[in-house]
Amino acid sequence: GAGVSQSPSNKVTEKGKDVELRCDPISGHTALYWYRQSLGQGLEFLIYFQGNSAPDKSGLPSDRFSAERTGGSVSTLTIQRTQQEDSAVYLCASSSYRDFQETQYFGPGTRLLVL
Amino acid sequence: AQSVTQLGSHVSVSEGALVLLRCNYSSSVPPYLFWYVQYPNQGLQLLLKYTSAATLVKGINGFEAEFKKSETSFHLTKPSAHMSDAAEYFCAVSGAGTASKLTFGTGTRLQVTL
Repeated sequence: GAGVSQSPSNKVTEKGKDVELRCDPISGHTALYWYRQSLGQGLEFLIYFQGNSAPDKSGLPSDRFSAERTGGSVSTLTIQRTQQEDSAVYLCASSSYRDFQETQYFGPGTRLLVL
Repeated sequence: AQSVTQLGSHVSVSEGALVLLRCNYSSSVPPYLFWYVQYPNQGLQLLLKYTSAATLVKGINGFEAEFKKSETSFHLTKPSAHMSDAAEYFCAVSGAGTASKLTFGTGTRLQVTL
């Protein structure tokens, strides 16, 4: 597709359940980022992928959060044993490593509500 | 460490008036600076970016920003506000060069009134 896509667009889950959020980056973009946007914390960085490896995981808030990227393309962010404080919008962005003046292009986000 | 501070969580202007959204940065290395806009229930869209090529940066939708090192500022302006400019605006900073995470400000919600 032309832009970054994310699925699902909305997710409602019960506390304690696991969720998977998916990101499809722009074709050919080698860098992929996950951010979280919440009322209390604003926009926070979670994790960065270059290809399939994650050189920066510093933003993951706990070991309940994990992410992987396969084939240098699709990425999945998994939250285990969800808590109410995990409710937020999860944004994915991708960028081209070929572009020295790197610009991150964002998807529409997944709105997660934990009941 | 890098950070940005956006002054004013809410700004209201009349249609046709000047828009000024303030952003100050803190960075120990030459920064890359960005302004993004977010419309309701949408992701972030890049308005403009500063990457040291020119201090006055022109972006989409008539917005521009000027990098002032002496003031550590990167304020966003538009000469004449339009109703469609109502949105939330985020200033962000990243390290220069290779791929780097964005550190965002807290955002400024712009309201445009008739």
